[in-house]
Amino acid sequence: GDSVTQMEGPVTLSEEAFLTINCTYTATGYPSLFWYVQYPGEGLQLLLKATKADDKGSNKGFEATYRKETTSFHLEKGSVQVSDSAVYFCALRRTGFQKLVFGTGTRLLVSP
Amino acid sequence: GAGVSQSPSNKVTEKGKDVELRCDPISGHTALYWYRQSLGQGLEFLIYFQGNSAPDKSGLPSDRFSAERTGGSVSTLTIQRTQQEDSAVYLCASSLGSTDRYNEQFFGPGTRLTVL
Repeated sequence: GDSVTQMEGPVTLSEEAFLTINCTYTATGYPSLFWYVQYPGEGLQLLLKATKADDKGSNKGFEATYRKETTSFHLEKGSVQVSDSAVYFCALRRTGFQKLVFGTGTRLLVSP
Repeated sequence: GAGVSQSPSNKVTEKGKDVELRCDPISGHTALYWYRQSLGQGLEFLIYFQGNSAPDKSGLPSDRFSAERTGGSVSTLTIQRTQQEDSAVYLCASSLGSTDRYNEQFFGPGTRLTVL
């Protein structure tokens, strides 16, 4: 079945460091890919998405590129802030289906 | 405008009791989803409603779980004869529709269920 694998956390960085959170997927066909973020005490929010190969999703300085050849959708940010501390979830949705399949989440801790 | 709301925010119950969790989607959203977030299983899909169509129940883990959506709006997730492994955060989401243009899912804050 469909699945998403993401790196285990926590990822601990200093402010202004470069961030990469790895995400790979297994799915039938060509799914849409998403990154969701869960800030402390808040609900899941969509951070960015990509719907086809080579698409780049971007938002709030975060980027991820849909790589079909490596079945990956790694999340990157050039300079993290303390306010980016949260749990990040990679997810996919198979074409024609509505349910999201999530990875286990990666906690990011950014210190000043 | 108001987002997805869920109640209660926390629920503690005893093993064997029934519980009901409520979700109020964003006004005008025709699609509604339930997910479960637990330590052992991560975030799992439970059930999906779209308008008047038959719901997709493929993620419900057992026949103790059921959900309904009344009047195309509010939804209730019911767990009968709760077990300790049902302890989790239950998340509700809604979207404008089901086509690619309208199916971004907006999540509520969740209900934390603890079964003693």
